[in-house]
Amino acid sequence: QLQLQESGPGLVKPSETLSLTCTVSGDSISSSIYYWGWTRQAPGKGLEWIGSIYYSGASYYNPSLKSRVTISVDTSRNQISLRMTSMTAADTGVYYCMRDRRTDGGNSVRMLDPWGQGMLVTVSS
Amino acid sequence: EIVLTQSPGTLSLSPGQRATLSCRASQSVSGSYLAWYQQKPGQAPRLLIYSTSTRATGIPDRFSGSGSGTDFTLTISRLEPEDSAVYYCQQYGYSLYTFGPGTKVDIK
Repeated sequence: QLQLQESGPGLVKPSETLSLTCTVSGDSISSSIYYWGWTRQAPGKGLEWIGSIYYSGASYYNPSLKSRVTISVDTSRNQISLRMTSMTAADTGVYYCMRDRRTDGGNSVRMLDPWGQGMLVTVSS
Repeated sequence: EIVLTQSPGTLSLSPGQRATLSCRASQSVSGSYLAWYQQKPGQAPRLLIYSTSTRATGIPDRFSGSGSGTDFTLTISRLEPEDSAVYYCQQYGYSLYTFGPGTKVDIK
């Protein structure tokens, strides 16, 4: 059964850099039809996609966050990582790791499934 | 960027009733790239419907999706108490996923 587990510091100081890791078990991160990505949710708010990465390293980012975000992949550890710089209080929220299915052609699809349980990140001094 | 709006903001219904949730896009969306998610308090979102109308694995058939172009609908045919949640629509376009603001379904 596929599982995704986020890990990292739950508290980050303003202006510092957030680093989170997502460990995937039950599937290979090198699977050819899947990307792997991050979405976040501010307290009491909706969902915001951050970005996704393919095992080859090809990546896509939300333009609103692109200047501050780097997503990387480590196939040997079956992990992806998120790095977000210049954190502010507005970045406080739950950060989710998820599998991003992208297929094209006759059965073209884009969907995010499944999701990790999420990690609460608080930006505060 | 394609902006999604959802209505109503909150839906308060009784068990056994039918719920109709609307998702409207600021421009035409590929039906293959329209999905719905359910999120219960303290939990991660769960995929319900993808490609407008295909139920995800394990999703009961009381959940159905329809629509095209800029107007999409999630229908819950016979509400059960465990359907109380926030429902989000999602689209993919211009290399970007965006979500609607959500519809909260309260089961009275």
